Amino acid sequence: DSGVTQTPKHLITATGQRVTLRCSPRSGDLSVYWYQQSLDQGLQFLIHYYNGEERAKGNILERFSAQQFPDLHSELNLSSLELGDSALYFCASSVAGGRGTGELFFGEGSRLTVL
Amino acid sequence: QQQVKQSPQSLIVQKGGISIINCAYENTAFDYFPWYQQFPGKGPALLIAIRPDVSEKKEGRFTISFNKSAKQFSLHIMDSQPGDSATYFCAAIGTGANNLFFGTGTRLTVIP
Repeated sequence: DSGVTQTPKHLITATGQRVTLRCSPRSGDLSVYWYQQSLDQGLQFLIHYYNGEERAKGNILERFSAQQFPDLHSELNLSSLELGDSALYFCASSVAGGRGTGELFFGEGSRLTVL
Repeated sequence: QQQVKQSPQSLIVQKGGISIINCAYENTAFDYFPWYQQFPGKGPALLIAIRPDVSEKKEGRFTISFNKSAKQFSLHIMDSQPGDSATYFCAAIGTGANNLFFGTGTRLTVIP
């Protein structure tokens, strides 16, 4: 158990809808990262938050947004969903800004299926 | 553009054999190279990592070999076991960066 909690584990929805994925980092971790995992693209970095502030953005679509709250949990909002958004979404946390350590602790992911 | 290129996509090895997964990068600013292991239904977990000031790092049956001039690094799993069957991701992070760049993953199957 990594200590990172993600909900929901599975989510099935229709095109055009909006969903929210939630992540609770390990106790004491200030950084939260979101990754998208699809079969042919591996792990794609979406966004990084550190202590409530956005630190880095990757290949995150404009239809997606995220935030980190004062209690350090984070939410990833996906809107106007398309079939291609179906994937596993991982949250990871680390103690510091993640710089140079590579020690990310991943949750078990939220599997999103868009029909 | 994939910052870290990984091969092969899948690998089947007999129990007791050596599993080798290769990765290559272009960005010379990368200075930390971890490998992650992911079992089905689980998130990736850090397995072993190396910095470019050493050419090899060994932890048990797992060894990272690093070739700075070629900008390549590889994971060797000695005496591979069925319990090693998982997806392996190489990754890289650089100076001033805040995010890891992952390879596309290698699905390893160790046959008893």
